[in-house]
Amino acid sequence: EAGVAQSPRYKIIEKRQSVAFWCNPISGHATLYWYQQILGQGPKLLIQFQNNGVVDDSQLPKDRFSAERLKGVDSTLKIQPAKLEDSAVYLCASSPTGYNYGYTFGSGTRLTVV
Amino acid sequence: DAKTTQPPSMDCAEGRAANLPCNHSTISGNEYVYWYRQIHSQGPQYIIHGLKNNETNEMASLIITEDRKSSTLILPHATLRDTAVYYCIVRVPDNNAGNMLTFGGGTRLMVKP
Repeated sequence: EAGVAQSPRYKIIEKRQSVAFWCNPISGHATLYWYQQILGQGPKLLIQFQNNGVVDDSQLPKDRFSAERLKGVDSTLKIQPAKLEDSAVYLCASSPTGYNYGYTFGSGTRLTVV
Repeated sequence: DAKTTQPPSMDCAEGRAANLPCNHSTISGNEYVYWYRQIHSQGPQYIIHGLKNNETNEMASLIITEDRKSSTLILPHATLRDTAVYYCIVRVPDNNAGNMLTFGGGTRLMVKP
């Protein structure tokens, strides 16, 4: 099966600019996650979707970050305006619902804010 | 999810077994132990999971102590391609709300020639 697709692979922007990342999960996976991974740290969950609904966004900085999954398939994560501390890898993962044993992660988008 | 404790780094000689420890002393009865690894510039990759019995697959073996307070991931014949950060996570394997994967700092395994 095809894996989790993410684009772009790399992005460099200036602070205060906006940026968007795209994720296409594995076909049929109802649950989608966005993680932020700062260099040298483990991934941190930003938001979890189940189909097109938000399950948990408690760690999403909502003043500048937004995410949507309008049709319950692919998803977009946006940052507006970006800050220097947003420099990180943004990982998308998906999984089936219910009792399940693992997530499948994409390769991530590496964001550099200058 | 229960917290885990892992050594920040380990070295292993190529061809030898790599034994990665993890402490999870506050694990609940319905929480499983998962291991993921992250090779440089890639997303985390699932390795193995277990509840209380030892488990083995084509990638690794998982040994869980009888009291379930600690576990060890074993890579039987480490290769240079096994150099990665290894994460031990405990969670209830239910993808409904509140049961997401929560990553700690992991163990950086360096396999040396």
